[in-house]
Amino acid sequence: DAGVIQSPRHEVTEMGQEVTLRCKPISGHDYLFWYRQTMMRGLELLIYFNNNVPIDDSGMPEDRFSAKMPNASFSTLKIQPSEPRDSAVYFCASSLSQTGELFFGEGSRLTVL
Amino acid sequence: GQQVMQIPQYQHVQEGEDFTTYCNSSTTLSNIQWYKQRPGGHPVFLIQLVKSGEVKKQKRLTFQFGEAKKNSSLHITATQTTDVGTYFCALRRHGGATNKLIFGTGTLLAVQP
Repeated sequence: DAGVIQSPRHEVTEMGQEVTLRCKPISGHDYLFWYRQTMMRGLELLIYFNNNVPIDDSGMPEDRFSAKMPNASFSTLKIQPSEPRDSAVYFCASSLSQTGELFFGEGSRLTVL
Repeated sequence: GQQVMQIPQYQHVQEGEDFTTYCNSSTTLSNIQWYKQRPGGHPVFLIQLVKSGEVKKQKRLTFQFGEAKKNSSLHITATQTTDVGTYFCALRRHGGATNKLIFGTGTLLAVQP
């Protein structure tokens, strides 16, 4: 079975540009999570969805960040406009149940110059 | 902030030595999970602990949940070079309104052959 699929794996962009990260969760998983990982702040939960509905977005840094889940097999995390401090690895993860284990994608490494 | 403290932040051991990382919370936990992230990789689920005082073993790894459900530990016996990576605890607080899984700060383990 395919795991969580993220794209792109690497993105280098200039400050001010729009960035869109994509995620395909494991089929049948009802929960989808977006995490951001940096050396300074570790693994931070940005937002999570249950059955395509955003449940908790309190970790989203600011209005420049937005996330959508139009259907059960696709989610996007958008940053507009991007800033150098947004440079990080962004992980998408999915889980089958409310208390189950998270399956992580391989991450999208974002560099904003 | 969202982070949970883990100690130590970093440990360097000789192959064959034991290793322990600790995860501490100021509030009672619903459950706790442990993940391992290899350098350049993504977090991979190891185990979940739910019951007070629970102890689980996976080969050379021993996981323990504190009696008060406020702390947990991961112990590796006779480390091998394949154990290299960062070990994260991830927790959900008891009575929390959402399914937020908060990751600890992580312990980076280096194993010298």
